[in-house]
Amino acid sequence: DTGVSQNPRHKITKRGQNVTFRCDPISEHNRLYWYRQTLGQGPEFLTYFQNEAQLEKSRLLSDRFSAERPKGSFSTLEIQRTEQGDSAMYLCASSFRSYGDAGELFFGEGSRLTVL
Amino acid sequence: DAKTTQPTSMDCAEGRAANLPCNHSTISGNEYVYWYRQIHSQGPQYIIHGLKNNETNEMASLIITEDRKSSTLILPHATLRDTAVYYCIVREYSNNNAGNMLTFGGGTRLMVKP
Repeated sequence: DTGVSQNPRHKITKRGQNVTFRCDPISEHNRLYWYRQTLGQGPEFLTYFQNEAQLEKSRLLSDRFSAERPKGSFSTLEIQRTEQGDSAMYLCASSFRSYGDAGELFFGEGSRLTVL
Repeated sequence: DAKTTQPTSMDCAEGRAANLPCNHSTISGNEYVYWYRQIHSQGPQYIIHGLKNNETNEMASLIITEDRKSSTLILPHATLRDTAVYYCIVREYSNNNAGNMLTFGGGTRLMVKP
């Protein structure tokens, strides 16, 4: 399967612990997005990379959150000192952006975080 | 904030056409209408998008009104596997480094019933 891959699919942690999620986008996709989705709501944008550069961050991305895409391929999203409010599904999406192309987003199946 | 308004939920009989409406009265000239759907426990899946002309692909048809203030997604022969949340999204397209990210609203929960 050459779709967007996210790991782990499920993570249960205690409040105050750090967690890290990994996203492997579709090969050669130059754009990568992180979204967060809570129960019954639509996904909310967190941050976006074009190649290795993080170009936009939502105000939802507090200083406890950090995202990287070191070589312009896979990306990690780390949450430090987790809080119960961080419990959500974390979705990764990728797209290939070229001139004249609106760039459909391909989403992974998400990483579900439960903070106890 | 989402620039679209959709009904919270809809039902459709299996085998019948499902017509999902969306209002986007403040849409601007360089904004496309996108539809994604999200089946339970999966990530959103792209369905179709359009600017002003009607569009059709293997999944659905998109009908955009002439004034572009509303649109309808049509699933011609709904199946049980089409049960999902359907998101109508207005997305700006520009040739720069802007993310062109999607802003999701609450969507329409479509239930296809046998």
